[in-house]
Amino acid sequence: ETGVTQTPRHLVMGMTNKKSLKCEQHLGHNAMYWYKQSAKKPLELMFVYSLEERVENNSVPSRFSPECPNSSHLFLHLHTLQPEDSALYLCASSPGVGYEQYFGPGTRLTVT
Amino acid sequence: QKEVEQNSGPLSVPEGAIASLNCTYSDRGSQSFFWYRQYSGKSPELIMSIYSNGDKEDGRFTAQLNKASQYVSLLIRDSQPSDSATYLCAVNRDDKIIFGKGTRLHILP
Repeated sequence: ETGVTQTPRHLVMGMTNKKSLKCEQHLGHNAMYWYKQSAKKPLELMFVYSLEERVENNSVPSRFSPECPNSSHLFLHLHTLQPEDSALYLCASSPGVGYEQYFGPGTRLTVT
Repeated sequence: QKEVEQNSGPLSVPEGAIASLNCTYSDRGSQSFFWYRQYSGKSPELIMSIYSNGDKEDGRFTAQLNKASQYVSLLIRDSQPSDSATYLCAVNRDDKIIFGKGTRLHILP
């Protein structure tokens, strides 16, 4: 595997489900990010981790819970989501905070 | 004033012509600038980064930065139908990357 990978690529979940999105970067980077991109809307930064420490949390609802166990892995735990949470969730990594970011392919999430 | 502004488009350019995409930013202290390409339904892909005033060329792409006027542009020479995508401008402000909303580019065959 190279670059930034994300699993699953597609996810359909009910509002009462609990699921997790996984991101892994193979670039030796120190910073990782979660973004949300809704249809025809700009990228929304959700969380930023630098060396496994959360450095930014952009007023994201608590039904989204990030986890960064090491500098190569990032998770986004989902529970009791709403239909408006349906979107493309993108993971990115960069050599450090503020450097150019490299994106994974994204997880297309549909909440029913 | 928005931090990073781009014309949403669509910008229509004939195949083989030069496509010019523009971006302005509000924080004069911004230090680094990036252009990303995003195809519909796909994730953003880094095209170029630029850090100092002037031009930076990479193949058919040229990024231009003018810090005094607070704008950064991307020129695509010999435009191809495969260049049709949304182009995102991103600016580093205090170690935070701010993305613009993107410009949709349509290359007319």
